[in-house]
Amino acid sequence: NAGVTQTPKFRILKIGQSMTLQCTQDMNHNYMYWYRQDPGMGLKLIYYSVGAGITDKGEVPNGYNVSRSTTEDFPLRLELAAPSQTSVYFCASSQGQLNQPQHFGDGTRLSIL
Amino acid sequence: GENVEQHPSTLSVQEGDSAVIKCTYSDSASNYFPWYKQELGKGPQLIIDIRSNVGEKKDQRIAVTLNKTAKHFSLHITETQPEDSAVYFCAATSFGAAGNKLTFGGGTRVLVKP
Repeated sequence: NAGVTQTPKFRILKIGQSMTLQCTQDMNHNYMYWYRQDPGMGLKLIYYSVGAGITDKGEVPNGYNVSRSTTEDFPLRLELAAPSQTSVYFCASSQGQLNQPQHFGDGTRLSIL
Repeated sequence: GENVEQHPSTLSVQEGDSAVIKCTYSDSASNYFPWYKQELGKGPQLIIDIRSNVGEKKDQRIAVTLNKTAKHFSLHITETQPEDSAVYFCAATSFGAAGNKLTFGGGTRVLVKP
């Protein structure tokens, strides 16, 4: 099993550009999450989904959008990139049952210049 | 909401010594406490977790202790090896409609010197 796969691994954007960070998992997990990790900091939750067609905001949702049309995929979209969105983005998934661990992808390193 | 604080932010130990990382949490409803290890360029990997009905859990050289009354939990690594060098994160959560929506500590960078 590949687990959680994120693409691209690296990207540089200009201010005002848009892009979509891709995330797919092959573990048939219902719950999926997007986090951002700023240098020297912990992870902060951006958005999450408890199943196809259902999404909700996390701690830092401003400037981002998500969709969940299938169980496997959970893309994160930046509409108008800003320097404050320079970060490493991690996608995670879990079975969602009580105390089941989250499995993380290897991240997308995004720079906004 | 939940707030998790983690100390120290950096930790340097000699190979073979023990390393201890401490976390405190604010929400008394939290009942699940995972620890993640993050190597350079990789995503966090779960190394051990503990539920609120258990005070201690051990897995080979790694152990975690939980004090619910004081709302703190700790990671203990014994007989450290160079491959233990990484960033470690603690997290806390209470299971709800969002599954295990984790709140992370700020991380501890551990360096094991040979």
